Amino acid sequence: QKEVEQDPGPLSVPEGAIVSLNCTYSNSAFQYFMWYRQYSRKGPELLMYTYSSGNKEDGRFTAQVDKSSKYISLFIRDSQPSDSATYLCAMSSGNTPLVFGKGTRLSVIA
Amino acid sequence: NAGVTQTPKFRILKIGQSMTLQCTQDMNHNYMYWYRQDPGMGLKLIYYSVGAGITDKGEVPNGYNVSRSTTEDFPLRLELAAPSQTSVYFCASSYGTTGYEQYFGPGTRLTVT
Repeated sequence: QKEVEQDPGPLSVPEGAIVSLNCTYSNSAFQYFMWYRQYSRKGPELLMYTYSSGNKEDGRFTAQVDKSSKYISLFIRDSQPSDSATYLCAMSSGNTPLVFGKGTRLSVIA
Repeated sequence: NAGVTQTPKFRILKIGQSMTLQCTQDMNHNYMYWYRQDPGMGLKLIYYSVGAGITDKGEVPNGYNVSRSTTEDFPLRLELAAPSQTSVYFCASSYGTTGYEQYFGPGTRLTVT
């Protein structure tokens, strides 16, 4: 089993839809969880960061971590065409490099 | 403040050639990283450095070498290029490793034929 599993999609939704992106992981030591957004032919940029379990909200974006299920989610409300990108989850146990998922490619259709 | 810069943006190599991918950051970050990204495969860590003079292997180090003589620069050396090294290479830096944002460069697209 890979350390971090992420469905690569592609995922296509209409503008205004609620989008749910997910990752599962196997290492119970992970406690730092991040979501990066990567536009086509660009480098990834940090979108959301969560420490341990719980929720974090930033505008239209909500990140959730369920450590008991080893499952993290990113929700995008009122999705916009500008949200079309690849979303990568990433996580770490502490003083170790981030482990990235494969990324989910999202298209929001106007 | 340019952040993380990478050169070149594109390169085509012949099998067996060598080259160095340059990476520079101006944020005074201690940690620097090299990743490769293949289509649909996410980011795989090649090498990373926790400070000048200190480097360590990541998940896929074979065929690559690095050095870190200054805080700002972290070049990646490809020796004897192979088609399997065709990829997009990203350099990144961060202040620390635990919970700190990694800032990525724009990438270098490398084709080995």
